Amino acid sequence: DSGVTQTPKHLITATGQRVTLRCSPRSGDLSVYWYQQSLDQGLQFLIQYYNGEERAKGNILERFSAQQFPDLHSELNLSSLELGDSALYFCASSTGTSGQETQYFGPGTRLLVL
Amino acid sequence: KNQVEQSPQSLIILEGKNCTLQCNYTVSPFSNLRWYKQDTGRGPVSLTIMTFSENTKSNGRYTATLDADTKQSSLHITASQLSDSASYICVVSAKGSNYQLIWGAGTKLIIKP
Repeated sequence: DSGVTQTPKHLITATGQRVTLRCSPRSGDLSVYWYQQSLDQGLQFLIQYYNGEERAKGNILERFSAQQFPDLHSELNLSSLELGDSALYFCASSTGTSGQETQYFGPGTRLLVL
Repeated sequence: KNQVEQSPQSLIILEGKNCTLQCNYTVSPFSNLRWYKQDTGRGPVSLTIMTFSENTKSNGRYTATLDADTKQSSLHITASQLSDSASYICVVSAKGSNYQLIWGAGTKLIIKP
């Protein structure tokens, strides 16, 4: 168990809908990262937050947004969902943002868009 | 362009045998290189992190090597076990304001009894 929690574990929704994925980092970790992994594909970095502030942006679509709250949990919002958004969404956390820390991954949220 | 390439794409070996996975990168400026293990449907788990000055790092039956001159890394697994079946991902960190992580596509390893 990495100490990173993600909810829900599974999510089934329809095209055009909006969903929110939630992540709680390990105790003491200030950085949160979001990744998308489509079937049999590698991880795609979406976005990073550090202590409430956006720190780095990857290949995140404009339909997707995220935020980190004062208690350090983070939410990833996916809107106007398309079939291609079906994927595993992972959250990871680390202590800081120096680039040297290990990222600890949560169990993921499996999103299916029908 | 910063890239990480892994080979082979997939590998099948018998339980108890050794294997070596390769990672080549074109990331500059280099900060560190990581190997992750990802079981199917699970989040990746860190195996090793190596900086520029480290040539070898071990974690149990896993040994990673780094040649910063040729920009190559390898992950050697000794006496493989069925539980080693997973994807192994090489990740290189680039120095910069955001220490961007460049993820490889992974090598899918299957251990057969």
